[in-house]
Amino acid sequence: EPEVTQTPSHQVTQMGQEVILRCVPISNHLYFYWYRQILGQKVEFLVSFYNNEISEKSEIFDDQFSVERPDGSNFTLKIRSTKLEDSAMYFCASSTAQETQYFGPGTRLLVL
Amino acid sequence: SQQGEEDPQALSIQEGENATMNCSYKTSINNLQWYRQNSGRGLVHLILIRSNEREKHSGRLRVTLDTSKKSSSLLITASRAADTASYFCATPDRSGGGADGLTFGKGTHLIIQP
Repeated sequence: EPEVTQTPSHQVTQMGQEVILRCVPISNHLYFYWYRQILGQKVEFLVSFYNNEISEKSEIFDDQFSVERPDGSNFTLKIRSTKLEDSAMYFCASSTAQETQYFGPGTRLLVL
Repeated sequence: SQQGEEDPQALSIQEGENATMNCSYKTSINNLQWYRQNSGRGLVHLILIRSNEREKHSGRLRVTLDTSKKSSSLLITASRAADTASYFCATPDRSGGGADGLTFGKGTHLIIQP
């Protein structure tokens, strides 16, 4: 069964550094998403992406964040200058137009 | 935006019993989804119910939706130890189209005692 994959599974970075989180969505899906979950809190929507542009973004998704689909398979989330409060589990998801979103296993980001 | 809130926050039952979790939301929705999350792991999609549906089944799962009360319930029958996880409801932020972000509730942490 096709799955969403994410790399790396864990990343530790210093405050102020740039990080890129990578995702490979399910191959026939057209809609892509990033969410985050701070430890002990609920899952929060960051951004959705369709047809090579951002479709929707939350208040969390400020100028420090960007997304890109650099080729036909990868979908990336970049955080330009990480802050301590960016420490969280980041989930990628993808869907067809049928709305069910399939989530990857997540990348655990720790900012020191 | 939508805000699904589940109750109870935590539920502990004996293996073989049924578990019922509830979710409430605030505004009109196109669909409502339930997800499971094992500790520290990713989210697994369980079931999607549309606003014109009242009940949906999938294996041991039964989901109901009452749009007049803006609530949904997830019933797991004949629970197993492997059902131990957190369960979340989620609703689309906008019209329910393909690129809508989901708003998740805080979840119900379910523990199945062997």
